[in-house]
Amino acid sequence: DAKTTQPPSMDCAEGRAANLPCNHSTISGNEYVYWYRQIHSQGPQYIIHGLKNNETNEMASLIITEDRKSSTLILPHATLRDTAVYYCIAYRATNKLIFGTGTLLAVQP
Amino acid sequence: EADIYQTPRYLVIGTGKKITLECSQTMGHDKMYWYQQDPGMELHLIHYSYGVNSTEKGDLSSESTVSRIRTEHFPLTLESARPSHTSQYLCASSDSTGMGYNEQFFGPGTRLTVL
Repeated sequence: DAKTTQPPSMDCAEGRAANLPCNHSTISGNEYVYWYRQIHSQGPQYIIHGLKNNETNEMASLIITEDRKSSTLILPHATLRDTAVYYCIAYRATNKLIFGTGTLLAVQP
Repeated sequence: EADIYQTPRYLVIGTGKKITLECSQTMGHDKMYWYQQDPGMELHLIHYSYGVNSTEKGDLSSESTVSRIRTEHFPLTLESARPSHTSQYLCASSDSTGMGYNEQFFGPGTRLTVL
């Protein structure tokens, strides 16, 4: 499975867009990019996933570069409740999800 | 709202005791997972199951064992608890729908302390 690299921490002002980057330069053609988040001491929560195209749902948008070597998760209007650790995972069907260290996003009032 | 439950939520127990952590889901998911997570650290997969009577060890070696006799139930057992087993244990489940789709639903976790 491709390794992903994320910054250990980021800050964002409440109400502003939070843009969380992820590098996956060794991703293979059949690996999806998944994003989960984990709010303090709770179980992780699925956010979004994509293969090649940009994706949007009620929680976030996922922008994947054309060469698929990196992606950005966008929370359009961050709130204090979005403070969490965000995990970017390169996943291939039949394999297991491997959670790394993620990015701790701190939304500031 | 995901329907996956874990009991107990908190457990403090003495060394040498046998414990079973319960995990149940009502979504009919065929895949279930156990993760272990120390405070502020990564989640590590310790067991998974792709269906009834199927269990596999995960990436992190664990002295615990699991069973999958019913689709909805995936208990984890420690025969003799030790302080090194102190951690949070998270259960998850997912469905096998479509290529590349693996939304795992997580339970609230069991925080285990072994004295």
